Amino acid sequence: NAGVMQNPRHLVRRRGQEARLRCSPMKGHSHVYWYRQLPEEGLKFMVYLQKENIIDESGMPKERFSAEFPKEGPSILRIQQVVRGDSAAYFCASSPGTGAITEAFFGQGTRLTVV
Amino acid sequence: GDSVTQMEGPVTLSEEAFLTINCTYTATGYPSLFWYVQYPGEGLQLLLKATKADDKGSNKGFEATYRKETTSFHLEKGSVQVSDSAVYFCALSRRGSRLTFGEGTQLTVNP
Repeated sequence: NAGVMQNPRHLVRRRGQEARLRCSPMKGHSHVYWYRQLPEEGLKFMVYLQKENIIDESGMPKERFSAEFPKEGPSILRIQQVVRGDSAAYFCASSPGTGAITEAFFGQGTRLTVV
Repeated sequence: GDSVTQMEGPVTLSEEAFLTINCTYTATGYPSLFWYVQYPGEGLQLLLKATKADDKGSNKGFEATYRKETTSFHLEKGSVQVSDSAVYFCALSRRGSRLTFGEGTQLTVNP
């Protein structure tokens, strides 16, 4: 049973380009979470999705950022017109979403560098 | 809203020393509590968890007890090793909601 798979592991974009980050949850998991980690800082929640639904996007910047989790395929975090301040590690986590324990399993992260 | 406050780091210890990393939380209802560990260049791994008051989570010599009266979930280990050097995150989750993390505590263990 493969874990949470994120790709690419490293992504370099020039200012103004688009960054597209992918996350395949663990088999059987229908809930996906995206977090951002700036250098030497903790994890900041961005968005929580179920299949075809955004449950909580309170941590997403209002502009340039969007996320989806389609019925088929991976979850995608899209950052349009990237700026230097978007450089960070982006982590995806998944959970089965059932039961009292919302235990999440994390991917290895995508490290975005904007040059 | 929910929040988690962790002991500020970094923490530097000698091998075989006793470790405590403090964690307190604010949440409505009865959250589940977690400790995650992040090794350099890696994602987060679940270290231990507790789902109700007075539960003790334990793994790899680490322990934490869910204390509802003090809203705390302090992480302890009796004898740390160099391989324990990592960043430790305390987190909480309520049913149907996402994980809320503390700021993380960097632990360095010297031989």
